[in-house]
Amino acid sequence: DAGVTQSPTHLIKTRGQQVTLRCSPISGHKSVSWYQQVLGQGPQFIFQYYEKEERGRGNFPDRFSARQFPNYSSELNVNALLLGDSALYLCASSRTGTGLSTDTQYFGPGTRLTVL
Amino acid sequence: EDKVVQSPLSLVVHEGDTVTLNCSYEVTNFRSLLWYKQEKKAPTFLFMLTSSGIEKKSGRLSSILDKKELFSILNITATQTGDSAVYLCAVDENPGNMLTFGGGTRLMVKP
Repeated sequence: DAGVTQSPTHLIKTRGQQVTLRCSPISGHKSVSWYQQVLGQGPQFIFQYYEKEERGRGNFPDRFSARQFPNYSSELNVNALLLGDSALYLCASSRTGTGLSTDTQYFGPGTRLTVL
Repeated sequence: EDKVVQSPLSLVVHEGDTVTLNCSYEVTNFRSLLWYKQEKKAPTFLFMLTSSGIEKKSGRLSSILDKKELFSILNITATQTGDSAVYLCAVDENPGNMLTFGGGTRLMVKP
């Protein structure tokens, strides 16, 4: 089975622009979570979606938004980019998003966003 | 505010050494503690711990959780150069799958 896939791999934008990142979960997984990892730090939770509904949101401004599609893939949008948004954006999928011992989150390779 | 703290920040050892990585946490609604290995980009899952005092093992890696003292350790025995990576500890809170990560421990294993 293919793992979690993300696109694009790398992206360079300038301040004020908008960006859309994409994630396809593992087949059979219905929950997708997004994380931001700034260089040298651990990932920070942004959103979780399950069955197209937002289930959780981290401490990020409203410039960050996301959605999940009927095929369970997901997009993360960031508006009005700031230099501080430069980071690795990771997507993780799990079967149900409940955190049960049988419901581990598996991470994709990430999208490296650079804001100039 | 919920917090996960890992120590040491970085570690350099030689092949064959044994290492112990530490993770302490303060969260409101603990569900589980997870360990991931991050080599280049995607963190790869190692262990999920939910019960105190029960060791999880996978080859040369093992981990244990102490829910009373709010910490976990990850042990790696007979280290190899392929163990070089950042090791991330994360805590999951109810209702689940919204992980709070520590800052990671960078392990370098020299030949």
